[in-house]
Amino acid sequence: AQSVAQPEDQVNVAEGNPLTVKCTYSVSGNPYLFWYVQYPNRGLQFLLKYITGDNLVKGSYGFEAEFNKSQTSFHLKKPSALVSDSALYFCAVRDDYTGKLIFGQGTTLQVKP
Amino acid sequence: GAGVSQSPRYKVAKRGQDVALRCDPISGHVSLFWYQQALGQGPEFLTYFQNEAQLDKSGLPSDRFFAERPEGSVSTLKIQRTQQEDSAVYLCASSTRDSGYNEQFFGPGTRLTVL
Repeated sequence: AQSVAQPEDQVNVAEGNPLTVKCTYSVSGNPYLFWYVQYPNRGLQFLLKYITGDNLVKGSYGFEAEFNKSQTSFHLKKPSALVSDSALYFCAVRDDYTGKLIFGQGTTLQVKP
Repeated sequence: GAGVSQSPRYKVAKRGQDVALRCDPISGHVSLFWYQQALGQGPEFLTYFQNEAQLDKSGLPSDRFFAERPEGSVSTLKIQRTQQEDSAVYLCASSTRDSGYNEQFFGPGTRLTVL
């Protein structure tokens, strides 16, 4: 069965510093991986996805993610954090058979000025 | 904007009442998903439609939950005889087709509180 894990409930970084939000996955076939962000009282917004190809995926708002097959990881990164990046981030994997997304528990990112 | 819309945004129900939650997907999107997000948790899959066909309802927690999409566009999630454990945010998402390549676009959700 497909699953993702986000080992950190919260990540704290200072504005201007690089940030990393961790995600590991477990799949039986090819991994189709996604990152979403959720602001308070709003739905999830798509950031980026890995389907195939380059291991470094670039997405919205300056975010990128690094796919590492040997470590089964798909960490979200940004070179310079903004206070406005503070939000709840979800990693997800697409289920091979049904198309549904299977989400991690989420990681709260707090960027301090 | 032509995003996914959901109504109502907030619903308070007394235990035992029936509720109906509406989702308007992005025009032309074939696939529609419903998810349930409990407080402090990630969204969990409920059910999936491709056009009007409900292809997967494996995530519906009980037979009190029912979803439909009769004309292949608007969808309604109905919960009968609501219980306190049904309190959650219900998210609707749509995508262009059932493919691993296409991201799902989410609505703002309906926050259901059962008293």
